[in-house]
Amino acid sequence: TQLLEQSPQFLSIQEGENLTVYCNSSSVFSSLQWYRQEPGEGPVLLVTVVTGGEVKKLKRLTFQFGDARKDSSLHITAAQPGDTGLYLCAGQLYDKVIFGPGTSLSVIP
Amino acid sequence: SQTIHQWPATLVQPVGSPLSLECTVEGTSNPNLYWYRQAAGRGLQLLFYSVGIGQISSEVPQNLSASRPQDRQFILSSKKLLLSDSGFYLCAWNRGMNTEAFFGQGTRLTVV
Repeated sequence: TQLLEQSPQFLSIQEGENLTVYCNSSSVFSSLQWYRQEPGEGPVLLVTVVTGGEVKKLKRLTFQFGDARKDSSLHITAAQPGDTGLYLCAGQLYDKVIFGPGTSLSVIP
Repeated sequence: SQTIHQWPATLVQPVGSPLSLECTVEGTSNPNLYWYRQAAGRGLQLLFYSVGIGQISSEVPQNLSASRPQDRQFILSSKKLLLSDSGFYLCAWNRGMNTEAFFGQGTRLTVV
């Protein structure tokens, strides 16, 4: 059973467009993290959200944690080709770190 | 600063052969350690995690095992590899709940 679901699975957009990626679960997590991964490398942390309803901004990226701490979203404004990659959400259940299936983003110049 | 080393980077092994992947962490003590497997372009499947020496939690019953003989060393093993064991294996560590996970560079395993 997949604890974390992400949508969409694939996303291909033009440079300058906005997009939102979603991470959902039926479980409550102590925190949700978003990572970005390049091919052949390990994921790199973008943000950690801990408090229900929390919103964090990182330049053109906006992250939100759902009030019930079961879901999160990542919004990218004015996407650039450098944003291309695999975006993974991860939830913490005690000492376990569970990853979602990922959203593969391609930003076309 | 903390670093994580994972080797080898690539590995081609015949079906039925043994496997040993090693991961070591430097610059920290008592880290939580994790082994993940990733299919191409997809998410990370948690295989094993450890919160201390000799403490191993298995997430998915399978052909693999893990050991933590030292505080900062995590080993993934198999006695007999299957074709389905092929994949990208990632080792990671963190300091505990709600902290950032740091990943190694991964091992691309191909079982032929």
